Amino acid sequence: ETGVTQSPTHLIKTRGQQVTLRCSSQSGHNTVSWYQQALGQGPQFIFQYYREEENGRGNFPPRFSGLQFPNYSSELNVNALELDDSALYLCASSPGQANNSPLHFGNGTRLTVT
Amino acid sequence: GENVEQHPSTLSVQEGDSAVIKCTYSDSASNYFPWYKQELGKGPQLIIDIRSNVGEKKDQRIAVTLNKTAKHFSLHITETQPEDSAVYFCAPAGSASKIIFGSGTRLSIRP
Repeated sequence: ETGVTQSPTHLIKTRGQQVTLRCSSQSGHNTVSWYQQALGQGPQFIFQYYREEENGRGNFPPRFSGLQFPNYSSELNVNALELDDSALYLCASSPGQANNSPLHFGNGTRLTVT
Repeated sequence: GENVEQHPSTLSVQEGDSAVIKCTYSDSASNYFPWYKQELGKGPQLIIDIRSNVGEKKDQRIAVTLNKTAKHFSLHITETQPEDSAVYFCAPAGSASKIIFGSGTRLSIRP
């Protein structure tokens, strides 16, 4: 069983640039969620994808967007980067659409915006 | 909006002693109550969970207790060991409700 993998592990970008983060879900999981975790805080829900459709969104502006592919892997795109976007971005997969099931997290992408 | 509070924010216990972390939530639709452990440089990992039809669940040194009437659930770690040092998060959820994570508890085990 392959776990959740994320790439890259670290990334440095300049304010105003755009970034794409990638996630491969655990085998057999068709739902992917993305979270932003600022230093010393809990993960904050960005959005969730189920079978290639967005299936819920947190309080993040439209410059945060995503995709899910037929193999259930996913991308998170952030446009017009701001300094406050510096955080650990976590991807989690789960076996179904419902939120009341375990989340399987990757180790995250550490994004630094300068 | 829905609220999740976790206490304490930091906890230091002597190796071998017990640790208890409490999570209070407001969404009455919540029916799934997990605890995640996050070690440095890693993503959160599920360590134990409970569903609303049970009051307590135990897995070796780890247990979770649920009081659905009072809307809180707790993580209990007995006989703590150095490898228990980490940040712990609760994340109560319902089938259709948004998952909200607590702000975390940093647990330190003193040798």
